[in-house]
Amino acid sequence: GENVEQHPSTLSVQEGDSAVIKCTYSDSASNYFPWYKQELGKRPQLIIDIRSNVGEKKDQRIAVTLNKTAKHFSLHITETQPEDSAVYFCAASIAGNQFYFGTGTSLTVIP
Amino acid sequence: DGGITQSPKYLFRKEGQNVTLSCEQNLNHDAMYWYRQDPGQGLRLIYYSQIVNDFQKGDIAEGYSVSREKKESFPLTVTSAQKNPTAFYLCASSPRGAANEKLFFGSGTQLSVL
Repeated sequence: GENVEQHPSTLSVQEGDSAVIKCTYSDSASNYFPWYKQELGKRPQLIIDIRSNVGEKKDQRIAVTLNKTAKHFSLHITETQPEDSAVYFCAASIAGNQFYFGTGTSLTVIP
Repeated sequence: DGGITQSPKYLFRKEGQNVTLSCEQNLNHDAMYWYRQDPGQGLRLIYYSQIVNDFQKGDIAEGYSVSREKKESFPLTVTSAQKNPTAFYLCASSPRGAANEKLFFGSGTQLSVL
């Protein structure tokens, strides 16, 4: 099956700096790559996603890039704010309803 | 907030006991899922269901059982066969269980062994 690796496991940045989280996947058939944010004690929520026919997608301070050849995708957060502090999960979906999640990145934004 | 509701928030299991985690959704979604979340690990799929009276095993189904008698409900039973049940359990749903669909998560149940 699909294997998704996520790095780093923890990340601390100063407020206003950028944060980058990277994921790799193993199955070239994967075609959908969502990112979920889980704040402490809360449920995971989708923040951005990208499909395999797109190389980059941006939503305000958040962007995701996809390199199908290298089989990796990244989450970029610019101008980080304290409320960005959370655990971020990447995932890959081949088709249908199977999602394979990364191990999560705990992001801390230092005011 | 509504949408998908899990209960209880905390649950304790005694040795040899079966316990059932509740998951209810009012989103009219066809597909429902159960994930297990352990510290330092990603979400791992236990079971999923795309339609009433049908469900499929995920990657770590051993020691768990589910039912889908109603579209709105997808309870998970952690049986005594699950030797390491302590974890955070997340229920999720999606409109049709099709590719590229957003998952809607519940707020989770923390299960601990006494």
